[in-house]
Amino acid sequence: IVMTQSPATLSVSPGERATLSCRASQSISSNLVWYQQKPGQAPRLLIYGASTRATGIPDRFSGSGSGTEFTLTISSLQSEDFAVYYCQQYNNRLSFGGGTKVEIK
Amino acid sequence: EVQMVESGGGLVQPGGSLRLSCEASGFTFSNYWMSWVRQAPGKGLEWVANINQDGSDKNYLDSVKGRFTISRDNAKNSLYLQMNSLRAEDTAVYYCAGSIVGGQGTLVTVSS
Repeated sequence: IVMTQSPATLSVSPGERATLSCRASQSISSNLVWYQQKPGQAPRLLIYGASTRATGIPDRFSGSGSGTEFTLTISSLQSEDFAVYYCQQYNNRLSFGGGTKVEIK
Repeated sequence: EVQMVESGGGLVQPGGSLRLSCEASGFTFSNYWMSWVRQAPGKGLEWVANINQDGSDKNYLDSVKGRFTISRDNAKNSLYLQMNSLRAEDTAVYYCAGSIVGGQGTLVTVSS
């Protein structure tokens, strides 16, 4: 299953809303996770089951979608949110999107 | 809490071998397919191999077939990756994963 993320780079000002997209090449139901990754760090789980926040994740992060179209929304970007975000499906083996870099505008 | 601790990485010459280990806790390890995932420097995440619950079914990324072998020991809640004939392009941080990537990974550097 091929996962495609868009855009590759998103320039956003602090306090603004960010919307990241992820598309699967075939239906994956809700078997999708989102990660945040900062330089030199392991991926940090944000969302699993397409829409359930992981433990300790602030409620400004929300996930939605099912089937082939998914969205991660960050409602009001904080300085610590500038990072690379990956989606990953676990419906059939594991496969990852290419990532979206959220940078300061 | 789900935890995975990877170990066994290091610097190895091209053509050399390494064995990675992952010790899992916080979930019933024997119930899950498990995978190895890697991330080359400056690149995205890439699935490498997976293994079913009893070890009877294994799948590999084409570029590692015949060189890497995944295995598990359910009694020890552990996952392994035997890597032979290593190449420069295998340089990456390697993570173990159930449905979700866990742990801090272990760095494999293939260089002369």
